[in-house]
Amino acid sequence: QVTLKESGPALVKPTQTLTLTCSFSGFSLSTRGIRVSWIRQPPGKALQWLARIDWNDDKFYFTSLKPRLSVSKDTSKNQVVLTMTNMDPVDTGTYYCAQTSGDNCFDPWGPGTLVTVSS
Amino acid sequence: EIVMTQSPATLSVSPGERATLSCRASQSINTNLAWYQQKPGQAPRLLIYGAFTRATGLPARFSGGGSGTDFTLTISSLQSEDFAVYYCQQFYSWPLTFGGGTKVEIK
Repeated sequence: QVTLKESGPALVKPTQTLTLTCSFSGFSLSTRGIRVSWIRQPPGKALQWLARIDWNDDKFYFTSLKPRLSVSKDTSKNQVVLTMTNMDPVDTGTYYCAQTSGDNCFDPWGPGTLVTVSS
Repeated sequence: EIVMTQSPATLSVSPGERATLSCRASQSINTNLAWYQQKPGQAPRLLIYGAFTRATGLPARFSGGGSGTDFTLTISSLQSEDFAVYYCQQFYSWPLTFGGGTKVEIK
């Protein structure tokens, strides 16, 4: 059974760097064809894909956020880490990680973690 | 960036009735489209991929259709557990993008 779970700070201050961890089980990111993405959702708003990391360490980012995003993996810990610099209140929302198919569909998802950006 | 537009924003339907949700892409995406369902306080759940292929275990009352720029998600007979927000997502090109969602509410 594949499961994922996000963790990280619930509150960050503007200009700070956010670091989120996706811990997963039921698969290995060292296995060919395995991919994990990050997606976020501001309160009451739509979903926005942020980044993807692949088994071979290929990385893909949402174009306009690319300067602020970094994704990495620790295959020994079964974790993927997302960092986002220069956080702003508009970055407030629930951040999800999800296993990603070769077609770039997201299934399954973690339960999400709510991040609030406020001074 | 491909913009995905969903309509209507809210759909009021009585249980047992048919619901048809629309999703339009700003350029052709062939059949590179997925649909997700999200209930309050929960993560989204994949329903349909490749425009019309149901995810494992999805009831047959859910069906997807369309290609190019215009797509539909049809729920043939709404059950109580189907009242939720539905999102479409294109995976034709980077960056991957979602529509704004359609909320299906009880009439």
